[in-house]
Amino acid sequence: EVQLVESGGGLVQPGGSLRLSCSASGFTFSSYAMHWVRQAPGKGLEYVSAISSNGGSTYYADSVKGRFTISRDNSKNTLYLQMSSLRAEDTAVYYCITSGSYYGPFDYWGQGTLVTVSS
Amino acid sequence: SSELTQDPAVSVALGQTVRITCQGDSLRSYYASWYQQKPGQAPVLVIYGKNNRPSGIPDRFSGSSSGNTASLTITGAQAEDEADYYCNSRDSSGNHRVFGTGTKVTVL
Repeated sequence: EVQLVESGGGLVQPGGSLRLSCSASGFTFSSYAMHWVRQAPGKGLEYVSAISSNGGSTYYADSVKGRFTISRDNSKNTLYLQMSSLRAEDTAVYYCITSGSYYGPFDYWGQGTLVTVSS
Repeated sequence: SSELTQDPAVSVALGQTVRITCQGDSLRSYYASWYQQKPGQAPVLVIYGKNNRPSGIPDRFSGSSSGNTASLTITGAQAEDEADYYCNSRDSSGNHRVFGTGTKVTVL
């Protein structure tokens, strides 16, 4: 059974940093592209970042470019999202997602972790 | 603003058919995938590619595409289909992904 478990969310002040982790199991992690998608309270889905299976290619939405860094450790089956210079508008539930290929459909989603940016 | 536009809300009588549309220029070149999200839950993939359903998704869900519009059809809607639905495809550059604005489906 595929499992994606996000962690690392919480309350952080504006301008602060946070690192999200996503622990994966039930599939060959190193063969799958991985993504982060977020959802602000009461809002729609926003595609945030992606990383190829070997980590060689990455993508960032304009809204987070230069502030967020996606990475992965295939030896630990773990995906990361390092977030810095956080803003109130970054407040959202952050989902970790797999896809069979970089542009493939989002096969499996984690349950999400809530990030709240507030003073 | 999103490059994929959806109607904010649609309603359907129990057992009837509802079509949810997603419009965007990139859909002339790329298929959309569709996601169902119920309150308090993570989204779930329901349709991808030309018209493919993941294992466990009922066959009352189907997908189609024409021109700049992708559609998700629920034939014989059930109470449990009440949810938000999002399309996803590539953006106008073809290099990145984007979600539609989302459609809330109410089953009457």
